[in-house]
Amino acid sequence: KQEVTQIPAALSVPEGENLVLNCSFTDSAIYNLQWFRQDPGKGLTSLLLIQSSQREQTSGRLNASLDKSSGRSTLYIAASQPGDSATYLCAVRGNTGRRALTFGSGTRLQVQP
Amino acid sequence: EPEVTQTPSHQVTQMGQEVILRCVPISNHLYFYWYRQILGQKVEFLVSFYNNEISEKSEIFDDQFSVERPDGSNFTLKIRSTKLEDSAMYFCASTTIERHRGSGANVLTFGAGSRLTVL
Repeated sequence: KQEVTQIPAALSVPEGENLVLNCSFTDSAIYNLQWFRQDPGKGLTSLLLIQSSQREQTSGRLNASLDKSSGRSTLYIAASQPGDSATYLCAVRGNTGRRALTFGSGTRLQVQP
Repeated sequence: EPEVTQTPSHQVTQMGQEVILRCVPISNHLYFYWYRQILGQKVEFLVSFYNNEISEKSEIFDDQFSVERPDGSNFTLKIRSTKLEDSAMYFCASTTIERHRGSGANVLTFGAGSRLTVL
């Protein structure tokens, strides 16, 4: 059964810092991995999707990497801003068996102005 | 930008009552999902739906749950007899082609959620 773990659970940084969020998964037979942002009481906004054959994806100040063989992904946020404050969720989709997304518990980010 | 729309945003119900949560997926999407998030816990998969039938479901999705696409636009989740532990945020999501590997394809778009409170 796929398990997804995110570290750290919470992170507080001053504005302008670069930061890295970590995601690990137990079953490397994944189809893709997706990073989401969740604001309090709101839905999930897709940030980046990495296919299993890809190593990284970039969107603006965000860069996500994938090392499928070691079961790891990182989300790099450059020059953080207070508006980046949210919970960041990592989710993987299996290649066999269950193809629905399996989510991590998220990293709650607070960027201090 | 196209959105997945969910109603109601918040519903309070008594234990044992039936609840229907509604979703309007993005118009050209073919695959539909329900996920839920109990307060403070992970987002959990409930069910996926394609071509008017369930394609996958989790162990959470027992006989108390059902899904339906009654017309060309709505996708509903029904809970027949709610329990206290059904209290959660329920998210609908949709996507285009399941197995296409093109850029931007396969991204799951989520709605804002329906918060269900069972008393």
